[in-house]
Amino acid sequence: AQSVTQLGSHVSVSEGALVLLRCNYSSSVPPYLFWYVQYPNQGLQLLLKYTSAATLVKGINGFEAEFKKSETSFHLTKPSAHMSDAAEYFCAVTQREYGNKLVFGAGTILRVKS
Amino acid sequence: ETGVTQSPTHLIKTRGQQVTLRCSSQSGHNTVSWYQQALGQGPQFIFQYYREEENGRGNFPPRFSGLQFPNYSSELNVNALELDDSALYLCASSTPTRGRGTEAFFGQGTRLTVV
Repeated sequence: AQSVTQLGSHVSVSEGALVLLRCNYSSSVPPYLFWYVQYPNQGLQLLLKYTSAATLVKGINGFEAEFKKSETSFHLTKPSAHMSDAAEYFCAVTQREYGNKLVFGAGTILRVKS
Repeated sequence: ETGVTQSPTHLIKTRGQQVTLRCSSQSGHNTVSWYQQALGQGPQFIFQYYREEENGRGNFPPRFSGLQFPNYSSELNVNALELDDSALYLCASSTPTRGRGTEAFFGQGTRLTVV
């Protein structure tokens, strides 16, 4: 079975500071990894995905993530936080036997301070 | 191109009742997945439909059932509602490939409250 662990249920940064949200995965097969963002009372929006091409993946809104197989990690970063980045972020991995089934982490709430 | 739409947006039901949630998939998508997101948790996979047939199921009891229609829209039915069924129910549709890594597009969700 595949699983995702997001370290830190809450992360707080100052506006303009580096954003780092951590994600570690467990998988017996090469994973496909995703980061989604969820704003209050809304659904999930895809930020970026890793599908075995480049290990450094660039997404929307200035976010990027690096796949590190040796560390089984897929951490999400953004060089400079903006107030509009405040939201909950979910890391997810596909589970092979069910095709597009996504296994999500518990989420990290990002707070941006002015 | 229309996105994924879910109805209703909010719903309050009494314990023991039955509920039906609806989802219209994005144009061109024939795969629909349903997820339950309890407060403070990540979404949990309920089941997936591909071309009107169930294509995988998560760890949910049989009182959670679904349908997919020829136009690829879908319903989630929950019988004998329990208080723990209170959650945000998310529908996601994806492109017509069965390979891994396909992007899923999510609707806004239906907030179900069971009292």
